Amino acid sequence: GAGVSQSPRYKVAKRGQDVALRCDPISGHVSLFWYQQALGQGPEFLTYFQNEAQLDKSGLPSDRFFAERPEGSVSTLKIQRTQQEDSAVYLCASSPGTADYGYTFGSGTRLTVV
Amino acid sequence: AQSVTQLGSHVSVSEGALVLLRCNYSSSVPPYLFWYVQYPNQGLQLLLKYTSAATLVKGINGFEAEFKKSETSFHLTKPSAHMSDAAEYFCAVSRGGGSNYKLTFGKGTLLTVNP
Repeated sequence: GAGVSQSPRYKVAKRGQDVALRCDPISGHVSLFWYQQALGQGPEFLTYFQNEAQLDKSGLPSDRFFAERPEGSVSTLKIQRTQQEDSAVYLCASSPGTADYGYTFGSGTRLTVV
Repeated sequence: AQSVTQLGSHVSVSEGALVLLRCNYSSSVPPYLFWYVQYPNQGLQLLLKYTSAATLVKGINGFEAEFKKSETSFHLTKPSAHMSDAAEYFCAVSRGGGSNYKLTFGKGTLLTVNP
């Protein structure tokens, strides 16, 4: 598609609920990234895929966070047993290669855990 | 490790005035530097980037930034502010070279443009 598409745009989850956030990157972009943006902060790196391979997951806050990109296109970020501190905007970005190409970001999913 | 400091969480200018948003970085290796803009309820859009070519970089919407290694700075400027420039601006750094996939962002500067 023309841009990076994320769904849902907004998600309200009860504490303890599992959620799944979807990202459709730009067709042909080999690199896909997830970032977490807390209120009033800059985005923070969560994880990086090159095609279907997850090359870096060092930013995932805990083992409750899991990301996959099984066919090298669509990616899902899953959060198990959500906690209030998980409330944030989750941004997906894709790129033809590394950072010097510049990322294209989606509009994000705003997750609110109540 | 890389880090970014954006001086001033909020900058207010009059329409037609100079815009100056400050960014200082810390990096143990030659960096790549970026400015992104975020409009309300939208993702980030790349304004411009420095990747070790010309130190004065021109971007979209009339913005430019100059890489100054001696000052470890990458300040963003625009000669004349427009109302549509009101948004949040993020400076980001990555490692230069082959392992440069990860961006480290500053906390952002909210730009307000007054009529």
